[in-house]
Amino acid sequence: AQSVTQLGSHVSVSEGALVLLRCNYSSSVPPYLFWYVQYPNQGLQLLLKYTSAATLVKGINGFEAEFKKSETSFHLTKPSAHMSDAAEYFCAVTWGDKLIFGTGTRLQVFP
Amino acid sequence: IAGITQAPTSQILAAGRRMTLRCTQDMRHNAMYWYRQDLGLGLRLIHYSNTAGTTGKGEVPDGYSVSRANTDDFPLTLASAVPSQTSVYFCASKQGPANYGYTFGSGTRLTVV
Repeated sequence: AQSVTQLGSHVSVSEGALVLLRCNYSSSVPPYLFWYVQYPNQGLQLLLKYTSAATLVKGINGFEAEFKKSETSFHLTKPSAHMSDAAEYFCAVTWGDKLIFGTGTRLQVFP
Repeated sequence: IAGITQAPTSQILAAGRRMTLRCTQDMRHNAMYWYRQDLGLGLRLIHYSNTAGTTGKGEVPDGYSVSRANTDDFPLTLASAVPSQTSVYFCASKQGPANYGYTFGSGTRLTVV
């Protein structure tokens, strides 16, 4: 079965600082990979996805992620954090037609 | 607005009671999914349906059942609720192959006491 590992259940950054949320996947074949964001008391919203086109994927709200096959990673980054980025972020990988999620990383942004 | 509607938004349920969580989508998506979200565990797949008339088990199906009588509706039933089923439940749908990504509902917060 596929799986994803998100390193760090909590990440704290200052406003304006770089955001780096880590995701590693286990797969013997190139998977489809996704990042979702969940704001408090809401459902999940798609941030971006990797589908084997470009290895650097740009998403909404200034986020981007780079697929690195050699490292089996798909880390999420944003150059400058905003207060509004505070949320929980989930990495997910496809397994057949199903989506398998990581355990999530809660991002806190301090002024 | 096209999307997924889940009902109720929250519920407190006595242990041993039967409960059905409703999920309706108006996007004509073929595939639908039920996940539960628990702190520190992320989202875990309970059941799924690739098309109307078919269902399958996910990672944590025990204690839950689903049906898919038509394209739009995918109810999740807890036959006899237990406190460990206290969770936030999300319904999702997808049209097309795996790389399309999912659309999620806003969730149902269920507390079993």
